Amino acid sequence: AQKVTQAQTEISVVEKEDVTLDCVYETRDTTYYLFWYKQPPSGELVFLIRRNSFDEQNEISGRYSWNFQKSTSSFNFTITASQVVDSAVYFCALSFYNQGGKLIFGQGTELSVKP
Amino acid sequence: DAGVIQSPRHEVTEMGQEVTLRCKPISGHNSLFWYRQTMMRGLELLIYFNNNVPIDDSGMPEDRFSAKMPNASFSTLKIQPSEPRDSAVYFCASSLGVGQGVQPQHFGDGTRLSIL
Repeated sequence: AQKVTQAQTEISVVEKEDVTLDCVYETRDTTYYLFWYKQPPSGELVFLIRRNSFDEQNEISGRYSWNFQKSTSSFNFTITASQVVDSAVYFCALSFYNQGGKLIFGQGTELSVKP
Repeated sequence: DAGVIQSPRHEVTEMGQEVTLRCKPISGHNSLFWYRQTMMRGLELLIYFNNNVPIDDSGMPEDRFSAKMPNASFSTLKIQPSEPRDSAVYFCASSLGVGQGVQPQHFGDGTRLSIL
């Protein structure tokens, strides 16, 4: 089965707290790609990051960081010092070269950052 | 640079009517995807095209749905006849394909469809 699970449906934090969004994926393929997208209240889907299965190096971009662990099939996303503007639904997605790159999305995690 | 452009942004129509959703992908992108977002089913792929050719339409719910891509800069998703359960947000996305690994998809703002 090819599947993405985001077990956290909703998370609420206070501004400046750090928050980690979990993503667990399932696949028997050895070559695959993982993505994170952000959907703010305005509704559009914004690409955040792409990672392929051969690159387990963690990545940091400003307040955002991603931890990819093949051993646990996880690709978690951490926001450091959260801000109100980070409030959104965040989606993790799985994709494969031999399936044309179509995205298999998790159910999303709704993050609410309160002032 | 212009992103993916979808029209209309909102559509409200009565059951049984034909609905046409439109998408203009990012220039130079050779893959185009249609997704549907509902509370119950989340984000799911309906169909995707590569170089204007439909590759996988296994996500199209039923024969009432059809999609075309007559050229590299335009695609339509049509529902005929529409039903209340088709109410959802429909997203179009485009990408540079998979030639150098799976490339990120860039999404339009979506069409919020309500069937009464």
